[in-house]
Amino acid sequence: DQQVKQNSPSLSVQEGRISILNCDYTNSMFDYFLWYKKYPAEGPTFLISISSIKDKNEDGRFTVFLNKSAKHLSLHIVPSQPGDSAVYFCAASRGGADSSYKLIFGSGTRLLVRP
Amino acid sequence: IAGITQAPTSQILAAGRRMTLRCTQDMRHNAMYWYRQDLGLGLRLIHYSNTAGTTGKGEVPDGYSVSRANTDDFPLTLASAVPSQTSVYFCASSAGGAGYTFGSGTRLTVV
Repeated sequence: DQQVKQNSPSLSVQEGRISILNCDYTNSMFDYFLWYKKYPAEGPTFLISISSIKDKNEDGRFTVFLNKSAKHLSLHIVPSQPGDSAVYFCAASRGGADSSYKLIFGSGTRLLVRP
Repeated sequence: IAGITQAPTSQILAAGRRMTLRCTQDMRHNAMYWYRQDLGLGLRLIHYSNTAGTTGKGEVPDGYSVSRANTDDFPLTLASAVPSQTSVYFCASSAGGAGYTFGSGTRLTVV
């Protein structure tokens, strides 16, 4: 039973438009959420995170929104650029950002940004 | 080296053989992790270690073992490889927060 779900395996958007990647979770004990980006033949790299005490976190072109009541988070990329084409993984953990609790990952969404 | 080094980068292994995937970090992070990545399943945790001398089981530990003799090294051993262990394996480390640093992965094919 997957605790973190990314139901869209792929997404294609035009350069300059908004990309919205979605993630759902089932475990109400999760209190810290992250997005990782992965290029082929490389390891995932940290992109942005959000604590459960917030509902929005922004970093440049990237914004993560958290809806705790719906157990849903989303990553918005505005404007999208061809270099954003990658696989994006949603991840969740318990214990807050300062713990070494294990990350549970979703299955990933492959984003293609068309020039 | 900087960050996490995994070796080998790829390997073809006969079923039934023993194999150790190596992972070394130079960041003095306390916590280390092994994940496998499979299409449609994302990254699944195999084993983890919160600090040197301790290890724990993740979501899919069967068929794998780990050790953490020191802070820097966290090898993953397949005692007797099976084809279902064909995957890309990622080692990661953390200073205690949830922001992991990942290695570049080991692509393992068991035939």
